[in-house]
Amino acid sequence: DGGITQSPKYLFRKEGQNVTLSCEQNLNHDAMYWYRQDPGQGLRLIYYSQIVNDFQKGDIAEGYSVSREKKESFPLTVTSAQKNPTAFYLCASSGATSRGTQYFGPGTRLTVL
Amino acid sequence: KQEVTQIPAALSVPEGENLVLNCSFTDSAIYNLQWFRQDPGKGLTSLLLIQSSQREQTSGRLNASLDKSSGRSTLYIAASQPGDSATYLCAVIYNNNDMRFGAGTRLTVKP
Repeated sequence: DGGITQSPKYLFRKEGQNVTLSCEQNLNHDAMYWYRQDPGQGLRLIYYSQIVNDFQKGDIAEGYSVSREKKESFPLTVTSAQKNPTAFYLCASSGATSRGTQYFGPGTRLTVL
Repeated sequence: KQEVTQIPAALSVPEGENLVLNCSFTDSAIYNLQWFRQDPGKGLTSLLLIQSSQREQTSGRLNASLDKSSGRSTLYIAASQPGDSATYLCAVIYNNNDMRFGAGTRLTVKP
């Protein structure tokens, strides 16, 4: 059963804490992406990775960090430096045969208490 | 700057109506354009992908058109049903795999 999984579905964080969101894919895709979605807004790109051990900042990378040690995994850490982290986070992946499109996970809702 | 705009932001129609959702984009050098559906609190489900060389794509009651020269795409939904209620997102894909999203149109179909 191929696809992208994200965990947890819901995450609560106290102010000042770092939290890590998980994203795993078994589609054999080289590229992976993290987006943030706020109410009434489109998705905004946080970070992306075209290949293992390499990643690039997107439009709103401040306060976030990522790693890409394995092709299947692209975890996102929301650090205490992110001023307004409450949002819906979506992970996506794409491959050579994707014709440019991306496949999305189910998302993680992060709430800062 | 590559911007994607969707109009209207919200739309409410009675069941059975045909409707059109609009998407416009400022940079017409696109690779592909894609329409997604998003249910509340869920991820994105791909509806239709239009390659830059195509004018339209159809899937069931859905038809998406693309006019690159004018920077516009429309999603036509025929004979709308309550199950069509969701947010519809337009995404423009550029050659570097850069994907730019509109803010979406929130559709409500009333029984």
